[in-house]
Amino acid sequence: DQQVKQNSPSLSVQEGRISILNCDYTNSMFDYFLWYKKYPAEGPTFLISISSIKDKNEDGRFTVFLNKSAKHLSLHIVPSQPGDSAVYFCAASAYAGGTSYGKLTFGQGTILTVHP
Amino acid sequence: DAGITQSPRHKVTETGTPVTLRCHQTENHRYMYWYRQDPGHGLRLIHYSYGVKDTDKGEVSDGYSVSRSKTEDFLLTLESATSSQTSVYFCAITRQHQKPLNTEAFFGQGTRLTVV
Repeated sequence: DQQVKQNSPSLSVQEGRISILNCDYTNSMFDYFLWYKKYPAEGPTFLISISSIKDKNEDGRFTVFLNKSAKHLSLHIVPSQPGDSAVYFCAASAYAGGTSYGKLTFGQGTILTVHP
Repeated sequence: DAGITQSPRHKVTETGTPVTLRCHQTENHRYMYWYRQDPGHGLRLIHYSYGVKDTDKGEVSDGYSVSRSKTEDFLLTLESATSSQTSVYFCAITRQHQKPLNTEAFFGQGTRLTVV
């Protein structure tokens, strides 16, 4: 049972345009959401996050939107650059306190290609 | 850079042999995790640790064991490797925040394991 889903395996965008990556989740206990970027042969790199008490978080060219009623989050990259080409994973956690801290559930990933 | 080193970076092993992967951290973090990455599945949690000698199972723990005898080292052992354990393995740490919901994980470079 995939609790976090990224239904688009790939996305192709022209340089300078907006990239929108989507993620859906089913577990209503998730209260913190994250996006990671991954280049080949490297570990995932933390990009941006949002807690369930917010609906938007912005960091430079990256903005994450959370729609709790729809159990949907999205990552907007504006403007897109060729260096943004990578695999993007969304992830979620449910705060359980104590020893269960920090366990993440990931989506399948979306390959973003930004063309010059 | 969260000071995480994984070794080896690449390994080829035969079916039925035991294999141990090592994760070493230099920042004295309490929480450490092992994930595996497979196409179509994103990253999935294998085991995690919340202190020296304190470990627990994740989503896909069958066929794996872990040990943490020192804060800085978290070992993942495949007791008898199978072809289904061919994967890329990532170690991660979480920095505990004053805001407990903030569960950003920081990953090592990964170990590519091939079981033939």
